Amino acid sequence: KAGVTQTPRYLIKTRGQQVTLSCSPISGHRSVSWYQQTPGQGLQFLFEYFSETQRNKGNFPGRFSGRQFSNSRSEMNVSTLELGDSALYLCASSLEGLDVANEQFFGPGTRLTVL
Amino acid sequence: AQRVTQPEKLLSVFKGAPVELKCNYSYSGSPELFWYVQYSRQRLQLLLRHISRESIKGFTADLNKGETSFHLKKPFAQEEDSAMYYCALMEYGNKLVFGAGTILRVKS
Repeated sequence: KAGVTQTPRYLIKTRGQQVTLSCSPISGHRSVSWYQQTPGQGLQFLFEYFSETQRNKGNFPGRFSGRQFSNSRSEMNVSTLELGDSALYLCASSLEGLDVANEQFFGPGTRLTVL
Repeated sequence: AQRVTQPEKLLSVFKGAPVELKCNYSYSGSPELFWYVQYSRQRLQLLLRHISRESIKGFTADLNKGETSFHLKKPFAQEEDSAMYYCALMEYGNKLVFGAGTILRVKS
């Protein structure tokens, strides 16, 4: 099976712009989660989607949003970019979300740099 | 709030020496705990989870509810074990709460 893929892998934006990141989960996985990784804050949960519905959300401002499509692919959007949004954004997919012990499979990440 | 604490940023050991990566957690219910590993230039991947009680690549981790710990251990470190290790706790809805991570450096 192909692993989780994320596009683009690298992105450079300027403050005030918006950005959309894409994640394609492993075939058959219906849950997609997003994480932000920074040197200062480590890995932080952004949100999780299951069957096109946001089921859980982390403590990030409303500028961070996401969605999931019927084929389980997911996008996240960050509007009005700030310098502090520079980070590696990781996507993870897993099987049916009813079992809380499901293994999450991570993508390679999208490196976002805000200038 | 749920928290995962990894007190060591860096752990440096010699090849063949025992390894223990510490992880403590705070959680109000029955925790689901994991260890994830990230090797150089590779993606984050699951190493082991407490419910499976298995040994992966010689690593084991025991959940100690009394001490709220989930330390990762290996009796004899190998150079290929050098990586970043994250302890994580799973909340509802596939939300993982990660510790800050520990870099394990195995010297020859």
